[in-house]
This record gives sequence, C-alpha cells and structure tokens, in this order.
Amino acid sequence: DGGITQSPKYLFRKEGQNVTLSCEQNLNHDAMYWYRQDPGQGLRLIYYSQIVNDFQKGDIAEGYSVSREKKESFPLTVTSAQKNPTAFYLCASSPAAGNEQFFGPGTRLTVL
Amino acid sequence: KQEVTQIPAALSVPEGENLVLNCSFTDSAIYNLQWFRQDPGKGLTSLLLIQSSQREQTSGRLNASLDKSSGRSTLYIAASQPGDSATYLCAVSNFGNEKLTFGTGTRLTIIP
Repeated sequence: DGGITQSPKYLFRKEGQNVTLSCEQNLNHDAMYWYRQDPGQGLRLIYYSQIVNDFQKGDIAEGYSVSREKKESFPLTVTSAQKNPTAFYLCASSPAAGNEQFFGPGTRLTVL
Repeated sequence: KQEVTQIPAALSVPEGENLVLNCSFTDSAIYNLQWFRQDPGKGLTSLLLIQSSQREQTSGRLNASLDKSSGRSTLYIAASQPGDSATYLCAVSNFGNEKLTFGTGTRLTIIP
C-alpha cells in the first residue's frame, strides 16, 4: 500500500522543547516537502529536498531544521527558536521537483 | 512574487447543482497548476494537475480549466453531492521555482 505516512497524528510540546515530526514515503519519489498550515492562511513551505543529502529553505525556515539521509524519510525538527509553533504540519512528495505533489495526513502540533 | 487568490472563501449550494470554483494568480509564467481537496483535520488530496501547455483536465465529475493569459483557473464540479463538501485549494508552481504557492481555499458545503 503505497503512500506517505506522518507520525504522530497529534503532538504536544512544552515551551523550550525541541520535537521531531516524522515523514516517510514508499512511492520512490525524489522530492519531499514540509508545509505549515494555519487557520485562514494558505500552506507555507518550510523546507524542501530534491534529492538525498540535499535540502533548501522555503519561505518560513526559521526555527526549523530537517535532514534527508534516506530517500524515504524527511524528518522535521521544530526547535525552541520557533516562536509560534502551534500549527498543522503537512509533508508531501513528488517524483521530481515541479511535478504533482502528494500529501500525507498531517501532524497537529500544540505547544502548551 | 506569485500570489494566488480564491474567491469566495465559502460557498453553499443545493445537492445536484453544477458549480464553479475560482482561482486567480498574479504571475502567468507558471509551470503547472494543481487543485486539491482537504477534509477537516486531514491532509490534501490531489484532484487534478494542469501543465502550462494544457487548457483543461478532466476526472470524473471534475473539470479544471487554465487560462494563463488572464491568470485564472476554474474547477467545475458537475451534479454536486454531499460528499463533495470540503475545502478546495489551488496551487501553482513557476518555472525555475520548484515550490507550490497556495491559495487560502474555498470551503464548499453541499446542502442535501
């Protein structure tokens, strides 16, 4: 069953803590993306990766970090430097950059 | 900088009616345009992808058109059903820029 999985579905964090969101795909896609969605706003790109061991900042990368050590995995770390981390986080992948993107089910992060 | 607008923000129509959702963008040098559906608390489901060289794409009861010169796309839904109720998002990518720029979506409610 091919697709994109994100875990956990819900995540609660205390202020000052770093947390890591998981994104895995078995579609053999080269490109992967992280977006943030806030109420009343469109999705905003945090980071993207076109190939293993390479990634670029998106529009709102401050306070976030990523790694791409495997083609299948693109974890996102929300650091304590992110001022307003409460949001819905969506991971996506595409066969190559610029192609049709497919999304995972999302992780809702709440800072307590 | 590409900007994507979707008006109206919300739309309610009786079941069985045909309807059109609108998407406009400011930079006509697009690579492709994608329409998505999002159910509450869920990830995005890709509906249709239109390449810049195409004028329309069809999938079942859905038809998406693209007019680059005027910076507009429409999503036509025929014979609407209650299951079509969701938020519909359009997103565009530009040549030389792999990221998608999203609109804020139209929340569609089909009244039984």
